[in-house]
Amino acid sequence: GAGVSQSPSNKVTEKGKDVELRCDPISGHTALYWYRQSLGQGLEFLIYFQGNSAPDKSGLPSDRFSAERTGGSVSTLTIQRTQQEDSAVYLCASSPQTGALKTQYFGPGTRLLVL
Amino acid sequence: KNEVEQSPQNLTAQEGEFITINCSYSVGISALHWLQQHPGGGIVSLFMLSSGKKKHGRLIATINIQEKHSSLHITASHPRDSAVYICAAKGLTGNQFYFGTGTSLTVIP
Repeated sequence: GAGVSQSPSNKVTEKGKDVELRCDPISGHTALYWYRQSLGQGLEFLIYFQGNSAPDKSGLPSDRFSAERTGGSVSTLTIQRTQQEDSAVYLCASSPQTGALKTQYFGPGTRLLVL
Repeated sequence: KNEVEQSPQNLTAQEGEFITINCSYSVGISALHWLQQHPGGGIVSLFMLSSGKKKHGRLIATINIQEKHSSLHITASHPRDSAVYICAAKGLTGNQFYFGTGTSLTVIP
């Protein structure tokens, strides 16, 4: 079946512009994560959605970052007034249920470059 | 100091060798994940464990909760095992994951 998809695969933007990154999780997966992987850095947790519960936004690095998940499916990560340090690969993962031991299925990522 | 430390950072092995990658963490965790990231960037979840040992094919993951340490072993390594291996600890509360910086493995034929 279809895996997690993300779009666009690459995005180049100018500093100060807003960007929207999209994630389509696996159908039926209730949990959705956003991560960031900066060049030479490890993965960094950003935000977590589970069903209709309020999202866990504890990993968002600043108030320029926001995310929403409509209808419990597609999610959009928005970065306002982008900065050069926002350049990274943004990864989305979904999981069939909540719980520490549930497999996460990762999307291919969106590579963001802020000039 | 990172909550999760991995060693070694880089590892080169001959095909067939037994490989061990180590992960130590300083926070209380509910589970530890091992991930594999291929050169193209795709990430695959290998194991999730909260105690003991898990085995899948040539891969074995162990965790010692008291020592806050996990290991990933690869038996009879193969060039296709070449990838970055990442350990990720899920905190006791909330949904935060703490990631190691990864171990880059190259297996030479």
